[in-house]
Amino acid sequence: DVKVTQSSRYLVKRTGEKVFLECVQDMDHENMFWYRQDPGLGLRLIYFSYDVKMKEKGDIPEGYSVSREKKERFSLILESASTNQTSMYLCASSREPQAFFGQGTRLTVV
Amino acid sequence: QKEVEQNSGPLSVPEGAIASLNCTYSDRGSQSFFWYRQYSGKSPELIMSIYSNGDKEDGRFTAQLNKASQYVSLLIRDSQPSDSATYLCAVYSSASKIIFGSGTRLSIRP
Repeated sequence: DVKVTQSSRYLVKRTGEKVFLECVQDMDHENMFWYRQDPGLGLRLIYFSYDVKMKEKGDIPEGYSVSREKKERFSLILESASTNQTSMYLCASSREPQAFFGQGTRLTVV
Repeated sequence: QKEVEQNSGPLSVPEGAIASLNCTYSDRGSQSFFWYRQYSGKSPELIMSIYSNGDKEDGRFTAQLNKASQYVSLLIRDSQPSDSATYLCAVYSSASKIIFGSGTRLSIRP
């Protein structure tokens, strides 16, 4: 079975903090994705990566950056957390074309 | 226009009936289409994938694809209370992104 693991299930951070969300997959997938999910808005793509050190902006990249130094790990970084970044964050990995999701990180910025 | 559109629902169907979920997409270059099921507080899980025009059946689920009309649907036969969830349509776009609709909430009433 494909396993996608996100480092935290719940996080509470203060406004202005730098926040790291980590995602690790164990199936040697090339593609990895970060989404945020908000009520009524569905899953919105923040960033994706199709290879080590490669990244592409999704639909809502503002306020976020990513890092992919190793194939199995894709990190989402909130440079300076703000309250409007309170959300559920979902990581996914894929060997085209199917995607498999981690358990999600519910981030609250206070 | 959103890239992937779904009716948000809620869609209420009596137990044992057929539930019909619909989705349209805008990128004519898309080749792969998916239905995910998401229970409240959980991550999306893949239930159906379809790549060519026509119908694909898997147990009680049938996915239908019409590329000319840019339309994907999911039929659930003999609906069960355990089918109550949000159903997400996803499209693997020509830009190698996986784009999700905002989801349809399905409620199966006993």
